[in-house]
Parts: sequence; structure tokens; C-alpha cells
Amino acid sequence: SQQGEEDPQALSIQEGENATMNCSYKTSINNLQWYRQNSGRGLVHLILIRSNEREKHSGRLRVTLDTSKKSSSLLITASRAADTASYFCATDEKGGSYIPTFGRGTSLIVHP
Amino acid sequence: ETGVTQSPTHLIKTRGQQVTLRCSSQSGHNTVSWYQQALGQGPQFIFQYYREEENGRGNFPPRFSGLQFPNYSSELNVNALELDDSALYLCASNVGLAEETQYFGPGTRLLVL
Repeated sequence: SQQGEEDPQALSIQEGENATMNCSYKTSINNLQWYRQNSGRGLVHLILIRSNEREKHSGRLRVTLDTSKKSSSLLITASRAADTASYFCATDEKGGSYIPTFGRGTSLIVHP
Repeated sequence: ETGVTQSPTHLIKTRGQQVTLRCSSQSGHNTVSWYQQALGQGPQFIFQYYREEENGRGNFPPRFSGLQFPNYSSELNVNALELDDSALYLCASNVGLAEETQYFGPGTRLLVL
């Protein structure tokens, strides 16, 4: 099964700056999702982008998808200390059973 | 809050023992998936149940088993615990098989000594 890989593994920024995380995957997908996890607790769904979409926005979040490069990026604008968390991308394989496969995540620290 | 609860929150067991973890999904969510998340890793898919039948399984041995009940609750059972089973166990629910967005519980942290 494929797995998304996030880059960088860790990111440390100051409050107010933008944070960009990238995800690469291996095979064709139905959709790609980004999740957030605080301190080893449950995951919270942030945004879903379908394979025929190129960009989606939700509040301070912007997600892009480039299916030709098999990659996605998550941009958090005007970051806040409360954005400190791990961020995961999850993909489900085209023609598969809608079971998402997660990457290892990017650990984001936003310093106040 | 996702409306998905898990119990217990923490658990310590000894190698060779058996453990049962529980999950309560949102009403109307017919699909539940279980994941294992080792420290520093992403969640790994264990299995999924839809309307009380197993719908898919990841690369986990048969000593990992599950049940789903009509009241939107489910269980993950692990027999013959090994040290490497120490992890955060997450359940996630969604309405049907084709709904991509999953709603995760807070997880159960299992430590095997």
C-alpha cells in the first residue's frame, strides 16, 4: 500500500509567520486529506482535496494538489502558538476502498 | 469534539496478556476503523468494520481482532501482547464506506511491559 511522506519532519517558526508542509505519494489517488494531531491525541480532519481539484482554502489553511508530481502542500498563514501540533497527510488509492494511508507527519512548533 | 469516545485512555499490560479496547462512534456512523500509531509515526491501518462485518484489513497478525456492535460501539482485541504492541490506538468512524472524512477518537495509549 502507498504512503504519503511529509516534508519537513519538523518545522519551528515564530508566531505570525507562514508554515508550509509538503506531502508526496506514490500512486494515483481518489483524494488527499490533511489531519492535525495535538500531543499524541486523536486526529482532527482539516481539509480534503479531490484528485480533480488543484487548490482549496479553509480559513487560514490553503492546500494545493499537483497530481502530475504526486505532491500536495499545506500552507498555514499567520501562524499562532495554538497551531503547534503534528500534521499528517492521508491518501486513498484510486480504485481502492477509501481507507486512508497516513504519512509520518510534520511536527510544527510555533513560538509565541 | 468529534463525538467519538474511547476507553480506557491509558493502559499498562504485561507481555503475553490480552487486552480489549473500546470505541463509541457517533450515532449513524456505520463504519469504524482502527489504527495503531507508534511513537513518532503516522497511524497504521489495522482493520475496518462496516455494519458489523470486517471490510478491510491492514498488515497485522490474526491476534489483532475486532467486533462492531449495532449500537455504534466497537472493540479491538489483541491477544498474546508483545512489547512492540505499545502504541496509541485510535478508532475513527464515518457514515458509510464512500465517505472519506473520518472522525477520530482521542485514542487509548497502551504500554506493554
